Amino acid sequence: DTEVTQTPKHLVMGMTNKKSLKCEQHMGHRAMYWYKQKAKKPPELMFVYSYEKLSINESVPSRFSPECPNSSLLNLHLHALQPEDSALYLCASSPEYRPRADTQYFGPGTRLTVL
Amino acid sequence: AQSVTQLDSHVSVSEGTPVLLRCNYSSSYSPSLFWYVQHPNKGLQLLLKYTSAATLVKGINGFEAEFKKSETSFHLTKPSAHMSDAAEYFCVVSDSFQKLVFGTGTRLLVSP
Repeated sequence: DTEVTQTPKHLVMGMTNKKSLKCEQHMGHRAMYWYKQKAKKPPELMFVYSYEKLSINESVPSRFSPECPNSSLLNLHLHALQPEDSALYLCASSPEYRPRADTQYFGPGTRLTVL
Repeated sequence: AQSVTQLDSHVSVSEGTPVLLRCNYSSSYSPSLFWYVQHPNKGLQLLLKYTSAATLVKGINGFEAEFKKSETSFHLTKPSAHMSDAAEYFCVVSDSFQKLVFGTGTRLLVSP
């Protein structure tokens, strides 16, 4: 099973709301990623977790707060977002954190709209 | 530093004709190269991957790509396009242990 699942598929939130995105994989992968993709652009890396520890934060604003409760689950907590944060948020996983060697498997994404 | 250039933002083909999506890369080291496909409002799916084994890489759905070091290219081809191939295609490079670098994407349009 090479599936990464993400919930919800769509999310609409106001700028004062708090919401969370969820990502799950059962492939035994030890690296998980959050990407942000704006319309007609390639994905941009936000965070990398390796063995449930945050390895990379690509200078993401603190209104985005990642969490990796266990090796299968990755959350992205959202608070006080801006309309420009509207995008497709993609989760990915790979066996280890070795971008050169390991394939990253992507989920279908959560389409976020901030009003 | 590593970078990827996808030479065409849009490619239009007729169903049943060959597909060529062009990608050039720049890398300080021996790179790994990937092609991912993204259908509208979907996540990314790996088509194929090159990691310094055979230079001609076969992928899913009849796609293949050839790694040419002398030309720093990794073009994606398919002998006969199908309507379901219409999507966005990303060429991706990684030559370090840090992260993937995505090209800007090529939108493939397939007409009947």
